[in-house]
Amino acid sequence: QSALNQPRSVSGSPGQSVTISCTGTSSDVGAYNYVSWFQHHPGKAPKPIIYGVNKRPSGVPDRFSGSKSGNTASLTISGLQAEDEADFYCCSHTGDSYVFGTGTKVTVL
Amino acid sequence: QVQMVQSGAEVKKPGASVKVSCKTSGYTFTDYYIHWVRQAPGQGLEWMGWIYPHSGGTKYGQKFQGRVTMTWDTSINTAYMEVNSLISDDTAVYYCVRDWSGTLDYWGQGTLVTVSS
Repeated sequence: QSALNQPRSVSGSPGQSVTISCTGTSSDVGAYNYVSWFQHHPGKAPKPIIYGVNKRPSGVPDRFSGSKSGNTASLTISGLQAEDEADFYCCSHTGDSYVFGTGTKVTVL
Repeated sequence: QVQMVQSGAEVKKPGASVKVSCKTSGYTFTDYYIHWVRQAPGQGLEWMGWIYPHSGGTKYGQKFQGRVTMTWDTSINTAYMEVNSLISDDTAVYYCVRDWSGTLDYWGQGTLVTVSS
């Protein structure tokens, strides 16, 4: 199973919006509505911020939103804040396993 | 509340084995899959496999078959992940993660395994 493809980095100024894409195949992203996104700060455990394509766990700000079209999922961060600077990973169920994205570093300028 | 508490950092020589534990609490251990995920230095997250204590089932990623064994002890609500024949590329932070309905919701704090001669 190949890793899902994400841009290596995206950046934006505080208050702006950024979108991260996550491209898979018809065997993973395109086949299941089990796409999640994780925020990962160095030295900490990854934190779920989106599950089931577009659902937010309790406590996650509504600035984070997810969507999917075909084999590509997307994460949008609206109203970018300094504390959003981190690595972000998408993840898709594949029927009997998971596959992660390559990871995207979000920089707040 | 749900907690996944992993064992401490390990330093191993090439060719050795390492066994990482993940003690869970706050939920019914046998009702959920537990996955293991690792991150090598400078690399992304990599899924390794899962256990399902309810059925006794396991599944390993193709890359890890034959070299990784995942087990559990329901009497102490603890999962284990053992890697044999360690090589330098196995140097990574290893995480245990609970699976709730297709979502990896609760993560352990991570265990750093360093393979060095």
